[in-house]
Amino acid sequence: DTAVSQTPKYLVTQMGNDKSIKCEQNLGHDTMYWYKQDSKKFLKIMFSYNNKELIINETVPNRFSPKSPDKAHLNLHINSLELGDSAVYFCASRPDGSNEQFFGPGTRLTVL
Amino acid sequence: GEDVEQSLFLSVREGDSSVINCTYTDSSSTYLYWYKQEPGAGLQLLTYIFSNMDMKQDQRLTVLLNKKDKHLSLRIADTQTGDSAIYFCAEISSASKIIFGSGTRLSIRP
Repeated sequence: DTAVSQTPKYLVTQMGNDKSIKCEQNLGHDTMYWYKQDSKKFLKIMFSYNNKELIINETVPNRFSPKSPDKAHLNLHINSLELGDSAVYFCASRPDGSNEQFFGPGTRLTVL
Repeated sequence: GEDVEQSLFLSVREGDSSVINCTYTDSSSTYLYWYKQEPGAGLQLLTYIFSNMDMKQDQRLTVLLNKKDKHLSLRIADTQTGDSAIYFCAEISSASKIIFGSGTRLSIRP
């Protein structure tokens, strides 16, 4: 029933590892986003995809690579994890013609 | 550049009104939003206002927009313990990109 879901909810890993966070929306929306929320709760957009095509790519290290196998999914793969990558990552989706974004519950990534 | 600013903390007594303030820089913003984040949860859209409006009321929530000063406020009447959360102000930039403020943590005193 969850409209925008993310897995896993928590991810604890060692520096240097490669990990993925998955996002799925069952709302039929065309645009999906990844946001990073840092320890001070500040939200910054990372990527936006519309119908599997990259629309927004903010200044994000190349270690971060989004992948959209279909318009209902936008996964985030992170290579060579660093301590500074520790944060909560939020996925969101938006239907065409609307500005309202629907957010997932977030994935808390902790890099040790 | 694009920037949204809010104060970080607000503490109010239960039953009082809470007023959370926000300033933004992009004068072309067509929508301005208030999001609520409860502990451990995702973001929920609380309310939004079109840039051609001055005020919007929705039950206990009142949004005031001063476009000249680029100032947005959220008033919560009769604040309850369930209102404890972080409140984010946000504006729409180009390409429907949302710019968020740093969030205001609202705590309620008995």
